[in-house]
Amino acid sequence: DVKVTQSSRYLVKRTGEKVFLECVQDMDHENMFWYRQDPGLGLRLIYFSYDVKMKEKGDIPEGYSVSREKKERFSLILESASTNQTSMYLCASCGSGARADTQYFGPGTRLTVL
Amino acid sequence: SQELEQSPQSLIVQEGKNLTINCTSSKTLYGLYWYKQKYGEGLIFLMMLQKGGEEKSHEKITAKLDEKKQQSSLHITASQPSHAGIYLCGADRRGAQKLVFGQGTRLTINP
Repeated sequence: DVKVTQSSRYLVKRTGEKVFLECVQDMDHENMFWYRQDPGLGLRLIYFSYDVKMKEKGDIPEGYSVSREKKERFSLILESASTNQTSMYLCASCGSGARADTQYFGPGTRLTVL
Repeated sequence: SQELEQSPQSLIVQEGKNLTINCTSSKTLYGLYWYKQKYGEGLIFLMMLQKGGEEKSHEKITAKLDEKKQQSSLHITASQPSHAGIYLCGADRRGAQKLVFGQGTRLTINP
């Protein structure tokens, strides 16, 4: 079974703190994604990566950055957390080309910024 | 406005009843995915539809994509408490598997 894990299920941070959210997948997938989920808005794509050290902005990249130094790991960074970044963050991965099928999601990290 | 509109946003049904959730786009859908999410958890893949008129079933859940590939429906027959959760549709925006999602439908099953 595909496994996508996220470093924390719940996280509480203060305004202005630097926050790291880690995501690891064990299926050798090329593509990895970070979404945030808010009530009434569904999932919105923050950033995605289609290869090591490659990244592209999604729909709402402002206030976030990402890092992909190894194929299995994709990190989301909040340089200076703000209260409007309180949300559920979901990581996903999928293969590409002939291995492309659905995106596989991690369990999510619920981040609260005070 | 959402690229994908789901309706209804919330649904409460009696156990054993049938129900339908809709997902509509103003653009042609190249791949339509249905996911289920239990509260506070990640998404679980249910089904993917690609061809106009395609229909897939898994246990008591059936998903259809219309001929124009702009609307999909998810139908649950004889609902059970285990069906409760949030259902999300996602659409492939062509390239790199980037998906856009509807806002979700929260389903509650009353015993």
